[in-house]
Amino acid sequence: GNSVTQMEGPVTLSEEAFLTINCTYTATGYPSLFWYVQYPGEGLQLLLKATKADDKGSNKGFEATYRKETTSFHLEKGSVQVSDSAVYFCALLRYGNNRLAFGKGNQVVVIP
Amino acid sequence: GAGVSQSPSNKVTEKGKDVELRCDPISGHTALYWYRQSLGQGLEFLIYFQGNSAPDKSGLPSDRFSAERTGGSVSTLTIQRTQQEDSAVYLCASSSRMIEQFFGPGTRLTVL
Repeated sequence: GNSVTQMEGPVTLSEEAFLTINCTYTATGYPSLFWYVQYPGEGLQLLLKATKADDKGSNKGFEATYRKETTSFHLEKGSVQVSDSAVYFCALLRYGNNRLAFGKGNQVVVIP
Repeated sequence: GAGVSQSPSNKVTEKGKDVELRCDPISGHTALYWYRQSLGQGLEFLIYFQGNSAPDKSGLPSDRFSAERTGGSVSTLTIQRTQQEDSAVYLCASSSRMIEQFFGPGTRLTVL
């Protein structure tokens, strides 16, 4: 079936540090891939997406590249801010399907 | 324009009671989804509507759960005879193009 795996555990880092959150997937066919962010007390917001291999999604300084050969969609940001503190979810949507499959999420805490 | 709205934002109920959760999708979005977010299970798909019909109910965890959508707009998720394991945040999302799903703020359900 379709599944998404995110690295275990929260991520704590200092302001202006480089952020990487790993995401790998298992799916038949060619899914669309997403990163969603959930700020404290709020719902899920779409951060970025990529719909085919080698596409790069980007938004608010975050980037992720759809790597078919490694079935990965790692999220990166070069210089984080305190306001980036949130939970980040990787997700996939298989073509012709209707449900998002989510990873477990990673809590990111940015310390001033 | 207005995003997806859900009500109530919080609901506390006693075990064995019935609850109704409401979702107002973005105007014009034909697809509507319910997900559940809990600490142990992460984000799980519950049900998908296209218009007023639900072609995929496979995520509903038991026959105590049901949902309907009327007028191609508002949806209600009903949980009968609530149990403590039903405690979670219930998220609604809507979509116009079956790719990007836009989420509401969720309803936090606590079953005592």
